[in-house]
Amino acid sequence: DAMVIQNPRYQVTQFGKPVTLSCSQTLNHNVMYWYQQKSSQAPKLLFHYYDKDFNNEADTPDNFQSRRPNTSFCFLDIRSPGLGDAAMYLCATSRDSTSGNYEQYFGPGTRLTVT
Amino acid sequence: AQSVTQPDIHITVSEGASLELRCNYSYGATPYLFWYVQSPGQGLQLLLKYFSGDTLVQGIKGFEAEFKRSQSSFNLRKPSVHWSDAAEYFCAVEVLTGGGNKLTFGTGTQLKVEL
Repeated sequence: DAMVIQNPRYQVTQFGKPVTLSCSQTLNHNVMYWYQQKSSQAPKLLFHYYDKDFNNEADTPDNFQSRRPNTSFCFLDIRSPGLGDAAMYLCATSRDSTSGNYEQYFGPGTRLTVT
Repeated sequence: AQSVTQPDIHITVSEGASLELRCNYSYGATPYLFWYVQSPGQGLQLLLKYFSGDTLVQGIKGFEAEFKRSQSSFNLRKPSVHWSDAAEYFCAVEVLTGGGNKLTFGTGTQLKVEL
């Protein structure tokens, strides 16, 4: 089945220690998104890639970076995690909106704990 | 700017009873609307979507939603709730950006089902 895969499902990191979360997709979608979801809150968009074009949300902290080396993979890098960055990180994909309206497909998420 | 309001933070229903989850949106153009469901520790699963056409849309798992432009609402309904429906439900409005589609989520409604 075509899907969105996130690794690892659970990640524990130390305060200030860089961490990378991974997302891959078999849907061949050209748009990939990263959301942050804190406990009992709605998902909040951090940024998205439209093909190789990176689109950062205005309020996303500089501490968060992303890389998309090819269509299938996208990474979320947190350069110096703070306690406030503990959250579920959701990756999603979609076809691009220039050819119509398409829903986003979500991965299962990575639960990040910062100690 | 677009926004989504889900007035009910928690709802408890008995198994077999009917369900209605409320969603109100604010958006200046034609809205594209979604309902997603999230089980604990999991990603988001699309229940249904409204892009245009018939204002009553059918989704998976027996859910339906009705778009009412005059009330800026997109309420989710199910005639008979099952215990497995216990989860968090998010309503979202989509904004087209000429590449990726940006979702703005409501704060979610936590559904509890009593046996």
